[in-house]
Amino acid sequence: KQEVTQIPAALSVPEGENLVLNCSFTDSAIYNLQWFRQDPGKGLTSLLLIQSSQREQTSGRLNASLDKSSGRSTLYIAASQPGDSATYLCAVKSQHDYKLSFGAGTTVTVRA
Amino acid sequence: GAGVSQSPSNKVTEKGKDVELRCDPISGHTALYWYRQRLGQGLEFLIYFQGNSAPDKSGLPSDRFSAERTGESVSTLTIQRTQQEDSAVYLCASSFLAPASGSTDTQYFGPGTRLTVL
Repeated sequence: KQEVTQIPAALSVPEGENLVLNCSFTDSAIYNLQWFRQDPGKGLTSLLLIQSSQREQTSGRLNASLDKSSGRSTLYIAASQPGDSATYLCAVKSQHDYKLSFGAGTTVTVRA
Repeated sequence: GAGVSQSPSNKVTEKGKDVELRCDPISGHTALYWYRQRLGQGLEFLIYFQGNSAPDKSGLPSDRFSAERTGESVSTLTIQRTQQEDSAVYLCASSFLAPASGSTDTQYFGPGTRLTVL
């Protein structure tokens, strides 16, 4: 069974600092890995999707890396803003089935 | 529609009552998923529909849980004789393509239904 762990569970930084969020998974036989953002009372928003053959994906201030062999992904958010405050979830899609396995998330607070 | 919608947004019920949660996927999306998120925990897969069929019901926590989908559109998740441990946010997602290997489909999530069982 795929186990996904996110560290840290919570993070508070002053505006302008770079954010580093970590995700690890136990089964490297993945099809892709996604990073989502979850805001209170709202659904999940997909931020970045990395295919298993890729090493990283970038979108604006966001960059996600993937090291499949070591079972790790890192989400970098540059020059954080108060609007980046949310819970960030990492989800892994197995090669063997259609299920997404989620981590418990990292709750980020960016202080103005 | 513009996105996945779910109703109700909040539901408070008494232990032992039955509840129905509704999901309206994005129009044209063939696949539909239900997840559960307990407080402080990650999302837990419950069930997946391809069209109106559910190939895999193994994620349902107990036989008190059931789900159906009609018209390859709306889905209803029913919880009978609710228990306090059923309290969670129930999230629905839909995607365009069948999620077989080789698919690059992205799941689009609804806002969720927060269920509280007293």
